[in-house]
Amino acid sequence: GAVVSQHPSWVICKSGTSVKIECRSLDFQATTMFWYRQFPKQSLMLMATSNEGSKATYEQGVEKDKFLINHASLTLSTLTVTSAHPEDSSFYICSAFPGGSYSGANVLTFGAGSRLTVL
Amino acid sequence: RKEVEQDPGPFNVPEGATVAFNCTYSNSASQSFFWYRQDCRKEPKLLMSVYSSGNEDGRFTAQLNRASQYISLLIRDSKLSDSATYLCVVNTDNQGGKLIFGQGTELSVKP
Repeated sequence: GAVVSQHPSWVICKSGTSVKIECRSLDFQATTMFWYRQFPKQSLMLMATSNEGSKATYEQGVEKDKFLINHASLTLSTLTVTSAHPEDSSFYICSAFPGGSYSGANVLTFGAGSRLTVL
Repeated sequence: RKEVEQDPGPFNVPEGATVAFNCTYSNSASQSFFWYRQDCRKEPKLLMSVYSSGNEDGRFTAQLNRASQYISLLIRDSKLSDSATYLCVVNTDNQGGKLIFGQGTELSVKP
């Protein structure tokens, strides 16, 4: 089945540094990828929609200058948390619809997530 | 009011029990509905889609009531491996993509 690979799984960084998270579609092309954030005991919140070759669409309340999204190819989207602070510590998950001939073409497929801890 | 609301639980049940989860959504224009399962510190995985006529997959039964904007999930003969958080998910965008997640209902099945 379709696989979305996300890296790194865990990252610990100092306050003020920037962290890049990669999301790759391994066996399908994804013109659109979605970035979610999940705080403990809370629901997944859509942060932004990443569009290949164009600017990302951010949800209300998400700072586009803080959460930089780049979708330079059909298989890779990156999320960079700039000048991270402790309140940015969260579980970040990317996702995409495989589309095409996959049996789960219209099922949103998630990466394994990246757990960010900012000290 | 949250767009998708669930009872957070936790639900603690013995093996073999039947447990039901409820979910309500606020956007009457919502197009499609799902139940996802999320294990601790893992990504969500699709459990089943929810159809207007109701649908069943083994021990799992999902129901949708569009008039009441209400979704349910019934788990029969609970197994230890069913312990997880169950997320009610609604898609308000007919083009796909913008899924709204409930906060999840935690289930713990005990021996």
